Amino acid sequence: GESVGLHLPTLSVQEGDNSIINCAYSNSASDYFIWYKQESGKGPQFIIDIRSNMDKRQGQRVTVLLNKTVKHLSLQIAATQPGDSAVYFCAERGPGTYKYIFGTGTRLKVLA
Amino acid sequence: GAGVSQSPSNKVTEKGKDVELRCDPISGHTALYWYRQSLGQGLEFLIYFQGNSAPDKSGLPSDRFSAERTGGSVSTLTIQRTQQEDSAVYLCASSLSTGTTYEQYFGPGTRLTVT
Repeated sequence: GESVGLHLPTLSVQEGDNSIINCAYSNSASDYFIWYKQESGKGPQFIIDIRSNMDKRQGQRVTVLLNKTVKHLSLQIAATQPGDSAVYFCAERGPGTYKYIFGTGTRLKVLA
Repeated sequence: GAGVSQSPSNKVTEKGKDVELRCDPISGHTALYWYRQSLGQGLEFLIYFQGNSAPDKSGLPSDRFSAERTGGSVSTLTIQRTQQEDSAVYLCASSLSTGTTYEQYFGPGTRLTVT
């Protein structure tokens, strides 16, 4: 069933191109950040994380960049594939806390 | 191994009725989270359990909402006297611990519709 919103910002990219999804976080003291992918009808799935003492972290086809000066996160997906189509959320966690604050999400559409 | 499971997957109820949503976390995961996801919204934190205790219930929208966890495993989220604005997908997640970088594993959610 539908589990994501209908009015999310949407990023459309051609298959094979690189995608960049952005997120502004709220708490300058947050020390840990995660990017999640959510496909329709499913729960969010962990993609990559980064701690505040880093500004870049790479995974398989994905890179997360952290700019603490402007409280900005980005997720870069290389060679975007149809299976990457989903809603992407960033989440932040404050120091010494258990509570994750999620962004509103961005829908990624991969065009064939 | 089995992931986080939630039941029911879909629930339609009449306004004013009570509902119970169930979450079975991954075995051995001590931390358990409940979130709500409404259309057009991100995930809204509701409550978190460490073992059987809930240190913070401040995310619960009203006193109609309650949650419990028994045996450090299964958790139940109860909504009393449901209202139409309670309609949403309720997501449960578990993790090995808190205060660390351990990721949360999410269940598929329960889609609640209040008519």
